[in-house]
Amino acid sequence: EIVLTQSPATLSLSPGERATLSCGASQSVSSSYLAWYQQKPGLAPRLLIYDASSRATGIPDRFSGSGSGTDFTLTISRLEPEDFAVYYCQQYGSSSLTFGGGTKVEIK
Amino acid sequence: EVQLVESGGGLVQPGGSLRLSCAASGFTFSSYWMHWVRQAPGKGLVWVSRINSDGSSTSYADSVKGRFTISRDNAKNTLYLQMNSLRAEDTAVYYCARGWLVHLFDYWGQGTLVTVSS
Repeated sequence: EIVLTQSPATLSLSPGERATLSCGASQSVSSSYLAWYQQKPGLAPRLLIYDASSRATGIPDRFSGSGSGTDFTLTISRLEPEDFAVYYCQQYGSSSLTFGGGTKVEIK
Repeated sequence: EVQLVESGGGLVQPGGSLRLSCAASGFTFSSYWMHWVRQAPGKGLVWVSRINSDGSSTSYADSVKGRFTISRDNAKNTLYLQMNSLRAEDTAVYYCARGWLVHLFDYWGQGTLVTVSS
């Protein structure tokens, strides 16, 4: 099973700032099959990024993903008030799907 | 509009059983793989199980293998999760999710809470 480790656990930033979230894999994620989800309190997650860098339908271009192998990054170029949430990475390169532990982006 | 509505959650004693349902609408249910994902209170997301579009192939996380069974009724547009031998660590909100490109989750239900406690 591929273990995903997200860092930092919490990111305290102000609206308008840039957010950089990391996701590290215990082994290489084949074909960059890495996705990112956003979850707000009491709601289901929402798919943001798939295949490491492709934005899902309707996702604003301030969200971008990059990386390959074992190191992946989600960048939010300028934080909007609605972006404060928890973000999870997920790998789907192996038959056992796994998520990272999450990064909470909170208002500073 | 795609909708996934889970039901069947509740309080159950350790060792007990529960069956979750997920009613799908707004898309051709029989064309999609479907998944169950759970989230313990205050914790992260954990994939539980998946089933292919015609129900002929299933897969489970090691933590539930042998205890949980996923199934579907394409005539009723409904996904199921039969949970047996429940443990305290199975306590979580259970989400059904549509599999996009098989292993991505593009639509989710609102979740149903399962609490395993005596």
